[in-house]
Amino acid sequence: DTEVTQTPKHLVMGMTNKKSLKCEQHMGHRAMYWYKQKAKKPPELMFVYSYEKLSINESVPSRFSPECPNSSLLNLHLHALQPEDSALYLCASSQIPGTNYNEQFFGPGTRLTVL
Amino acid sequence: AQSVTQPDIHITVSEGASLELRCNYSYGATPYLFWYVQSPGQGLQLLLKYFSGDTLVQGIKGFEAEFKRSQSSFNLRKPSVHWSDAAEYFCAVGVNDMRFGAGTRLTVKP
Repeated sequence: DTEVTQTPKHLVMGMTNKKSLKCEQHMGHRAMYWYKQKAKKPPELMFVYSYEKLSINESVPSRFSPECPNSSLLNLHLHALQPEDSALYLCASSQIPGTNYNEQFFGPGTRLTVL
Repeated sequence: AQSVTQPDIHITVSEGASLELRCNYSYGATPYLFWYVQSPGQGLQLLLKYFSGDTLVQGIKGFEAEFKRSQSSFNLRKPSVHWSDAAEYFCAVGVNDMRFGAGTRLTVKP
């Protein structure tokens, strides 16, 4: 299994809702990432998990709450989002964190719309 | 801090013509460089990568890239473009804190 899966594919939520995005990989990777991508822009790094511990938080607002319950799963909990948070949210994984020769594998993304 | 510049926002080429997409990087040490492709509404697919060694790197779908340290460049090339190559192309630098360029949108004319 050489893929990263993300659910749901599409999500529409109101500003008072609580929802979660899910990402899963079964490649034995120990680093996992969340990116946010606005239309016609490059992906922007949000969070990095290394060995299930948060290692990088790119000053992301607290309405985004990541969680890594085990080495295969990565969640992004959403609460009280704003319409400007509407974007494609991409998950990625890579092998042993902090080492060389370490490429990231991306999932297909979750298209989030905040009304 | 590491960064990547893609000078061309949009490129149009005819099917069958050659292609070169430009990428310039800024990195303090040996850069780890990547080219990714993204079709509309999709995730990113890795085309090729450079970590060390041979400066001419072969990738998937007939793409290649050449690392030139003296020019801080990692340009992507393809000798003959197919209509299915139309997509957004991102150059990226780094590993765990990877940074992407702004992207180049490729349009292929029939």
